[in-house]
Amino acid sequence: EAQVTQNPRYLITVTGKKLTVTCSQNMNHEYMSWYRQDPGLGLRQIYYSMNVEVTDKGDVPEGYKVSRKEKRNFPLILESPSPNQTSLYFCASSRERSLYNEQFFGPGTRLTVL
Amino acid sequence: KQEVTQIPAALSVPEGENLVLNCSFTDSAIYNLQWFRQDPGKGLTSLLLIQSSQREQTSGRLNASLDKSSGRSTLYIAASQPGDSATYLCAVTMNAGGTSYGKLTFGQGTILTVHP
Repeated sequence: EAQVTQNPRYLITVTGKKLTVTCSQNMNHEYMSWYRQDPGLGLRQIYYSMNVEVTDKGDVPEGYKVSRKEKRNFPLILESPSPNQTSLYFCASSRERSLYNEQFFGPGTRLTVL
Repeated sequence: KQEVTQIPAALSVPEGENLVLNCSFTDSAIYNLQWFRQDPGKGLTSLLLIQSSQREQTSGRLNASLDKSSGRSTLYIAASQPGDSATYLCAVTMNAGGTSYGKLTFGQGTILTVHP
């Protein structure tokens, strides 16, 4: 089944404790990205990757890191989480160079930073 | 900067009604527009994708139209059912030299409630 998976689905942590949210897709997509969703602010892009070893900042990259060492994986790293990073996070992927680059989303990771 | 607006913010209708959700965007240089459904606490499910060269797309009881020049899209839901209750989001991807950078700019969504 074609899908985007994220782990963990729920995470409660404390300020300053490094964490990684994993994202993996099995569709051989070139393009992957991370979004966060906050009440009243909607979905905003954090980082994106056009292909392996090619990443760039989205609209709200502060406090986040990403890497793209393999085509299928695009982990989101919070080196020193803070309470304002409490949010619902989504990973997405699509085939970048395609007439029909429909975006596929993972199930989301609800992160709480105390 | 692209801005996407969805009206209404919330909509409550009785089962069986036909309804229209509206989406507008400020920059008409889009590559495509996508409608998503989001259930509470869940991820986003793609409903329909309209390329900038297309006028509409249909899937079952859903029909999405696009008027790129005026910066508008509508999602028409026929014969609504309680199972259609969810938040509906529209999102656009900007056109950049014929390829897409892939970034989606989302509207705030319309919360739809269909009551029996």
